[in-house]
Amino acid sequence: DADVTQTPRNRITKTGKRIMLECSQTKGHDRMYWYRQDPGLGLRLIYYSFDVKDINKGEISDGYSVSRQAQAKFSLSLESAIPNQTALYFCATSAVVGQPQHFGDGTRLSIL
Amino acid sequence: EDKVVQSPLSLVVHEGDTVTLNCSYEVTNFRSLLWYKQEKKAPTFLFMLTSSGIEKKSGRLSSILDKKELFSILNITATQTGDSAIYLCAVGKVVNFNKFYFGSGTKLNVKP
Repeated sequence: DADVTQTPRNRITKTGKRIMLECSQTKGHDRMYWYRQDPGLGLRLIYYSFDVKDINKGEISDGYSVSRQAQAKFSLSLESAIPNQTALYFCATSAVVGQPQHFGDGTRLSIL
Repeated sequence: EDKVVQSPLSLVVHEGDTVTLNCSYEVTNFRSLLWYKQEKKAPTFLFMLTSSGIEKKSGRLSSILDKKELFSILNITATQTGDSAIYLCAVGKVVNFNKFYFGSGTKLNVKP
């Protein structure tokens, strides 16, 4: 089983819909992250969390919200999806400061 | 503004060739530089570099960091078709959270 699991793997939806992407991990890591990847732009940080009481905005948080329901679960919501949020979304975890992040397999989101 | 730039953006080689991928950065309070390989799914960790001039090696892959000139290179010798992937560079800062700045990646295509 994957250490970092994202659901769904693929999603196509319409403009204006509310969407939730979910991430769960079995690595026991405190730190969790949401990134989006667009062609030619690399990975950009949306939100990150160091524990269930800690939520921080990344560089592109507008239009997104997150919830850290438990140490192992971190969900990303698009309240009213728009086409320029079409991207590949990754969840990642890390154990301690400075250590490499472990990524899920990604959710490919298309907004029509 | 913190910046990580990778070059080339894409590269096509034939099996057996040696390739060098570049990552330059302008990041205040530099802590570490990481290389990831991304095939069809999640980025997977390759190397973490924190000190100048010390080569990290894993099989046919090696990497080195120059903190004076603010760049790193990733070398792949005797390339194989399985090396085809996007190679991502990420830079971490000396701050109290695990936040990384990613480059846009180099897409490597190794032809038989």
